[in-house]
Amino acid sequence: KNQVEQSPQSLIILEGKNCTLQCNYTVSPFSNLRWYKQDTGRGPVSLTIMTFSENTKSNGRYTATLDADTKQSSLHITASQLSDSASYICVVRSNTGKLIFGQGTTLQVKP
Amino acid sequence: EAQVTQNPRYLITVTGKKLTVTCSQNMNHEYMSWYRQDPGLGLRQIYYSMNVEVTDKGDVPEGYKVSRKEKRNFPLILESPSPNQTSLYFCASSLGTLGPNTEAFFGQGTRLTVV
Repeated sequence: KNQVEQSPQSLIILEGKNCTLQCNYTVSPFSNLRWYKQDTGRGPVSLTIMTFSENTKSNGRYTATLDADTKQSSLHITASQLSDSASYICVVRSNTGKLIFGQGTTLQVKP
Repeated sequence: EAQVTQNPRYLITVTGKKLTVTCSQNMNHEYMSWYRQDPGLGLRQIYYSMNVEVTDKGDVPEGYKVSRKEKRNFPLILESPSPNQTSLYFCASSLGTLGPNTEAFFGQGTRLTVV
């Protein structure tokens, strides 16, 4: 069964600290993996998209990594800001075009 | 500005009263889809459309209908809403379904409560 599992479910960090969110997937065949940021009450917004041949991709303070062999991805946030408080969703697109969503990690950045 | 627009943003209705949630995109995208988001379950696809007059069921289609008469619009219809359809709904569109550059754009969401 195609699944996307994220951990931790929730996370609280202090402003300025770094954090890493994890995503494991069993989707096969695999087209690409995306990380989305979803602010409370709003739609998801794309942070990064990676194909199976890409190991890392950065978008400002966000860096995503992908290990297609172990089917694992991570999202690293550097020097967190209060505005980083949101849910982060890992989404895997299969070769058929279907998007499979993880449950998300809720991040809270405290001053 | 490229965007996906949903209306209404918030809706409270009673069981059995038909309702429609509209979705419109201005990016000339072929692919549009509807999702519902419930706590602990992530986003689940309700219906999708590959192009005008082409629609298909997603993972949780029961109790919903859609139509795609025009490329830009993809309304979600609840003929007889029930309390278990209380949820946060998102419409999304993309240029196609495959490839790393087929970015999916999401609407702002519609919070529906059925009492």
